[in-house]
Amino acid sequence: QVQLVESGGGVVQPGRSLRLSCAASGFTLSSYGMHWVRQAPGKGLEWLAVVWHDGSDENYADSVKGRFTISRDTSKNTLYLQMNSLRVDDTAVYFCVRDERLSSGISWYTVLHYWGQGTLVTVSS
Amino acid sequence: DIQMTQSPSSLSASVGDRVTITCRASQSISTYLNWFQQEPGKAPKLLVYAASSLQSGVPSRFRGSGSETAFTLTISSLQPEDFATYYCQQSYITPWTFGQGTKVEIK
Repeated sequence: QVQLVESGGGVVQPGRSLRLSCAASGFTLSSYGMHWVRQAPGKGLEWLAVVWHDGSDENYADSVKGRFTISRDTSKNTLYLQMNSLRVDDTAVYFCVRDERLSSGISWYTVLHYWGQGTLVTVSS
Repeated sequence: DIQMTQSPSSLSASVGDRVTITCRASQSISTYLNWFQQEPGKAPKLLVYAASSLQSGVPSRFRGSGSETAFTLTISSLQPEDFATYYCQQSYITPWTFGQGTKVEIK
């Protein structure tokens, strides 16, 4: 079965870097788009980044563009999020998410389907 | 970026009530609208995709509707396990964006 396990969270000072990992099992990472979504304590969901299934492109939310980098290692079937220049408002639970193409009528839709349990990142001095 | 606005932000309802949550997009997103349910301390769960398609295994009391900029999620008869926070999300164009959430609480 599909399983996503995030790791790498912890407490880090503002301005420092951290790399999150997401170990995938039950499927091949390179066959699906992979996303990072975060949730600040007591707040809503924020989509952060995607690496598309063919690895041809990545897209980012404006809030993290230029600071965060999404990548994957297909040999390890692992997704990463490199987070640089961390700020206090980056404090959140970070979820790794696998997308899925689902049909509706004659069309196909790419959706956020399988979620990890999340890893907490706390940015504090 | 496309802004997603949900209303209400929270509501109180009783078991058996009919509940409707509204989501508006700042520009047309066709039917690239998804609904998620999140229980405290858990990852979100996909309920509805493509505005009105029920995800496999989701009870039929959940119904999504709408297109372009206006969407609704209706729970026809609220059950105890439905008390949670609900989010809409557009997948029309990156950056994908979520609504701010609607918390459904027990009256």
